[in-house]
Amino acid sequence: EVQLMESGGGLIQPGGSLRLSCAASGLTVSGNYMSWVRQAPGKGLEWVSMIYSSAGGGETHYTDSVKGRFTISRDNSENTLFLQMNSLRAEDTALYYCVRWTERYYDYWGQGTLVTVSS
Amino acid sequence: EIVLTQSPDTLSLSPGERATLSCRASQSISVYLAWYQQKPGQAPRLLIYDASNRASGIPARFSGSGSGTDFTLTISSLEPEDFAVYYCQQRNYWPQTFGQGTKLEIK
Repeated sequence: EVQLMESGGGLIQPGGSLRLSCAASGLTVSGNYMSWVRQAPGKGLEWVSMIYSSAGGGETHYTDSVKGRFTISRDNSENTLFLQMNSLRAEDTALYYCVRWTERYYDYWGQGTLVTVSS
Repeated sequence: EIVLTQSPDTLSLSPGERATLSCRASQSISVYLAWYQQKPGQAPRLLIYDASNRASGIPARFSGSGSGTDFTLTISSLEPEDFAVYYCQQRNYWPQTFGQGTKLEIK
């Protein structure tokens, strides 16, 4: 059974940093394309970032609004996906989901970790 | 960026009725569209991929159609558990984008 367990969210002041983690079981993070998708409170879904599998070259991609501020990475030994978020803004407030991308669709989702950026 | 516009924003129907949800892309995305269902407090669940392929375990009452810019998700006969928010998502162009969602509510 695949499980994705996010952690690391919380209340942070504007300009601050957080690192989100996604511990995976039932799949290998390095062997899959993995994304972060966020959902602002009461709003829709927004793709944030993706990291390709090791076989796919490990490329990383970001939505324009987080380029230069967020960094996606993984620790193969811990089978964990990360999202380092710097220079946080109020508009980054959202529930952040860790998701497996099959190159055709998103199939496995975590339950999300809530990031609140507020003074 | 491809904009996906879903309509209507809210659809009020009764159990047993047929639901038709629309997703329109700002330019052609071939058939590279997926549909997800999200219930309150839950993560989204994949329903349909590549416009018309039902995901594993999804009941046959859910069907998808369309290509190019116009896509439809049809629920043939609504069950109580189908009342939720539905999102479309395209993968033909970077960045991947989602529609704003259609809320399917009980009339």
